[in-house]
Amino acid sequence: NAGVMQNPRHLVRRRGQEARLRCSPMKGHSHVYWYRQLPEEGLKFMVYLQKENIIDESGMPKERFSAEFPKEGPSILRIQQVVRGDSAAYFCASSPGGRATYEQYFGPGTRLTVT
Amino acid sequence: DAKTTQPPSMDCAEGRAANLPCNHSTISGNEYVYWYRQIHSQGPQYIIHGLKNNETNEMASLIITEDRKSSTLILPHATLRDTAVYYCIVRGLSGTYKYIFGTGTRLKVLA
Repeated sequence: NAGVMQNPRHLVRRRGQEARLRCSPMKGHSHVYWYRQLPEEGLKFMVYLQKENIIDESGMPKERFSAEFPKEGPSILRIQQVVRGDSAAYFCASSPGGRATYEQYFGPGTRLTVT
Repeated sequence: DAKTTQPPSMDCAEGRAANLPCNHSTISGNEYVYWYRQIHSQGPQYIIHGLKNNETNEMASLIITEDRKSSTLILPHATLRDTAVYYCIVRGLSGTYKYIFGTGTRLKVLA
């Protein structure tokens, strides 16, 4: 059973460009979480999605950031008009359902560098 | 804010048991304790979780005090590959089950 997959693993964007980060959850998992880790800091929750639904986006910046998890295909975290402060590692995690007893499994992350 | 407090760093000799403490004095009755670790800048790796009973798996043991205000993660025979940042997380049955990470404990296993 393949783990959580994220691509690209490394992404370089110039200021003002768009960044699209993809996350394919583990097989059988229908819940996806996105977290961001700034350099030398801990992970911060961004958004929680189920198929076609955003459940909790309390950690998402109000502007430029959006996320989706369509019925078919991977979850996408989209950052418009990137700025240098968006440089970070973005991790996706998945779980089989929405229960507190279900642990989340993390992908390897996408490292975004904004130049 | 994270509901847990952990020492910022610890050292452990290779082959010895590593005991990582976590304080969660405000834990509610229906909240679970989860442990993860992050090696270098990789994605966090799930280790173990529990509610009130001690738990053991192939990676570690989790000891939760009777009042549930603290817990200890035990790596029975630490190896150099266990050098990582270890996170203790409290998560409940309500809400959206997101993890709130604290600053963790940076464990260094010494040869």
